[in-house]
Amino acid sequence: QVQLVESGGGVVQPGGSLRLSCAASGFTFSHYGMQWVRQAPGKGLEWVAFIQYDGSKEYSAESVKGRFTISRDNSKNTLNLQMNSLRVEDTAVYFCAKDSQPTPIIHWYFDLWGRGTLVTVSS
Amino acid sequence: EIVLTQSPGTLSLSPGERATLSCRASQIVTRNYLAWYQQKPGQAPRLLIYGASSRDTGIPDRFSGSGSGTDFTLTISRLEPEDFAVYYCQHYGSSYTFGQGTKLEIK
Repeated sequence: QVQLVESGGGVVQPGGSLRLSCAASGFTFSHYGMQWVRQAPGKGLEWVAFIQYDGSKEYSAESVKGRFTISRDNSKNTLNLQMNSLRVEDTAVYFCAKDSQPTPIIHWYFDLWGRGTLVTVSS
Repeated sequence: EIVLTQSPGTLSLSPGERATLSCRASQIVTRNYLAWYQQKPGQAPRLLIYGASSRDTGIPDRFSGSGSGTDFTLTISRLEPEDFAVYYCQHYGSSYTFGQGTKLEIK
């Protein structure tokens, strides 16, 4: 079954850290770029970070640059997001999403999303 | 960075009616690199349209996308009860940006 399943969300204090994971199945994970997208409560979608199929390139939004690190383990079909120095405004559901095409010539639209994991940053 | 502005913010219609959702870009969208997603409460977004007008696999043909340049439209020809949701447009290609969403609600 083609799916993405996120885990690792929870409640953390401001300044704390959390590591999210996304388990992929049903497709050749190592062929596709992957990303994290978040959605604050009652708000719209915000792209967070991208990693190329082989892990050789990464990009992140200005709002998380220097605090969040995206990584992947192609041997375990897993995508990760290490979140440090968390802020109240990082509270959101975090989705992992798959690039629609395997060729990294442009930033592609996303054809598969997980159900998300909730991160709450609160004292 | 391209900014996408969706309108209206909320659209109230009845089942069977036609829905027209707009997405306007602050700059020309190269090669029509524009996608539309549907999101229902508590669910992940679902890809509907890519390349401004191509339907993803399994998407009913009542959903259609059109437009070019800076103005794009998602049309749902005849609303079904399951179509009431929030719709987002997305620019891709050189970067990723989402519109703020249009909520399609039952009148």
